[in-house]
Amino acid sequence: DGGITQSPKYLFRKEGQNVTLSCEQNLNHDAMYWYRQDPGQGLRLIYYSQIVNDFQKGDIAEGYSVSREKKESFPLTVTSAQKNPTAFYLCATRQSSYNSPLHFGNGTRLTVT
Amino acid sequence: LAKTTQPVSMDSYEGQEVNITCSHNNIATNDYITWYQQFPSQGPRFIIQGYKTKVTNEVASLFIPADRKSSTLSLPRVSLSDTAVYYCLVVPPGGGADGLTFGKGTHLIIQP
Repeated sequence: DGGITQSPKYLFRKEGQNVTLSCEQNLNHDAMYWYRQDPGQGLRLIYYSQIVNDFQKGDIAEGYSVSREKKESFPLTVTSAQKNPTAFYLCATRQSSYNSPLHFGNGTRLTVT
Repeated sequence: LAKTTQPVSMDSYEGQEVNITCSHNNIATNDYITWYQQFPSQGPRFIIQGYKTKVTNEVASLFIPADRKSSTLSLPRVSLSDTAVYYCLVVPPGGGADGLTFGKGTHLIIQP
């Protein structure tokens, strides 16, 4: 989706290092979401935010942190506490209105060795 | 929250019509049904959504029976490029993240 930019596309880190994944949107959407996808699996929700300066844990928030200081940005930090950080990370946005669909970025593939 | 069940995988051939059915027996009155498509190493892409009866757009149709306990995504005359994973979601009204968990979806493989 051209309105959501995730960078970088590929990221490599050593075990024990924190790493921050970027998500920027120009769709003026209120809500933003972070998902994790492992090979052959569905998408699991990490964190989401419906408004600036507010966010909620999803199903697998342990070892991750987020911030929402601006409407356009929702960075995700993968901390050293995350036991299995290697995965494909997807950011999504949507309007907070009835039946508004999710819009996804093209993801960041993180490899931790 | 309504739980959804889809086939794990399906095969078909170019030019055929493909129907993927999703079961959602405990769908609530105001929930709506939405379908996404995902190619490898990309984010899912919204295809179609509906509340009841039939919805059609330029890429697909969505059939929802009167009891709304299932829905069928119909892809007319598929091509090799329709090979992807398809996800069915049942989403309640309002904001938040309810209903926005993606299961394993249906892996559709189109052969020449």
